[in-house]
Amino acid sequence: DTGVSQDPRHKITKRGQNVTFRCDPISEHNRLYWYRQTLGQGPEFLTYFQNEAQLEKSRLLSDRFSAERPKGSFSTLEIQRTEQGDSAMYLCASSVQGVEQFFGPGTRLTVL
Amino acid sequence: AQTVTQSQPEMSVQEAETVTLSCTYDTSESDYYLFWYKQPPSRQMILVIRQEAYKQQNATENRFSVNFQKAAKSFSLKISDSQLGDAAMYFCAFLLGGTYKYIFGTGTRLKVLA
Repeated sequence: DTGVSQDPRHKITKRGQNVTFRCDPISEHNRLYWYRQTLGQGPEFLTYFQNEAQLEKSRLLSDRFSAERPKGSFSTLEIQRTEQGDSAMYLCASSVQGVEQFFGPGTRLTVL
Repeated sequence: AQTVTQSQPEMSVQEAETVTLSCTYDTSESDYYLFWYKQPPSRQMILVIRQEAYKQQNATENRFSVNFQKAAKSFSLKISDSQLGDAAMYFCAFLLGGTYKYIFGTGTRLKVLA
């Protein structure tokens, strides 16, 4: 399968714990995006990488969130000191030059 | 700021029938793209169809077609000959030209009845 992959698919954690998600984009895609999707809503943009550079962060990303994309390949999204309001589906997408983004299956986070 | 509105939280269609999903958007820009994405349960979103704002002709992909009304800022999706596999959440999305942030609507859940 050469699509966007995300790991884990599901994560249950207790409030206050740290979690980290991984996204592997389609190879040769230099652009990578993170979105968050809460119940009953469409995905909302979180952050964008072009190669290894993080070019934009949404105001939705509090200081507890950090994303990296070392070497311009896979990306990680870390949430520190999780809160119940962080419960959501976290989607990763990638693209090459152009407008179409290819989405991964998402990581569903549940914070108890 | 751009907004996307999907006013139908849920729609049902009989297998083999036709259904239309509605989407309206708001922008003052002229260079943009519109998309319909399908999100099956527990599976990733896939692109169904896209429309460039500068194109007057409505996009078509097999059983899927759009009715793009630029002046009315409307972008509806028509699914013909509905199949059970069409059951999913459908999201309308907007992308401003030269940018990368999709703006999504809240989605329409489509049920296909056998």
